[in-house]
Amino acid sequence: SAVISQKPSRDICQRGTSLTIQCQVDSQVTMMFWYRQQPGQSLTLIATANQGSEATYESGFVIDKFPISRPNLTFSTLTVSNMSPEDSSIYLCSAQGGSGANVLTFGAGSRLTVL
Amino acid sequence: GQQLNQSPQSMFIQEGEDVSMNCTSSSIFNTWLWYKQDPGEGPVLLIALYKAGELTSNGRLTAQFGITRKDSFLNISASIPSDVGIYFCAGQRVGGSQGNLIFGKGTKLSVKP
Repeated sequence: SAVISQKPSRDICQRGTSLTIQCQVDSQVTMMFWYRQQPGQSLTLIATANQGSEATYESGFVIDKFPISRPNLTFSTLTVSNMSPEDSSIYLCSAQGGSGANVLTFGAGSRLTVL
Repeated sequence: GQQLNQSPQSMFIQEGEDVSMNCTSSSIFNTWLWYKQDPGEGPVLLIALYKAGELTSNGRLTAQFGITRKDSFLNISASIPSDVGIYFCAGQRVGGSQGNLIFGKGTKLSVKP
């Protein structure tokens, strides 16, 4: 299955600033996804990163807050804009694995703490 | 929104014990997945299940896709210290978009003091 690298692995951010998380996959993948894991919680899908078109956002997530880029089939970025302490979470990049369309492989995550 | 009920929320294990956890849903799923997450890491896939009644093993781990397609369980036999971590069930809802997995809230395995 694909190997996914994310950076930064963690960061401490000031309220009101924005941070861009990068995700690199070691092979070409059709679909990439961004998930959020709030402290002690489960994972929630933010959006699907589509190559060549705008990202598809889930209910409760908007492009102005979480702009996403997908310039090619191996790379995507997620920006967390105008951060507040409520945005303190682990942000996880994922891609479909090789064993099935619904099987996702995840990166190690980017742990953001907003002060 | 759609939720998965995963239980237990946490449990303590002693080396050698068998462990069981399960997930239930109010909706029908066409895929059930079990992941393990260690601190500072992303979830790692343990077992994938694709059809009702399917029973699949991966070493000491066994998982089943419920006949009703609304539930799944994961068993760990003869637990060892490295089994400690958080286990998540996840499912692909029938009619849901690809990659939109619904996750349970996790079962945290700790070593019994």
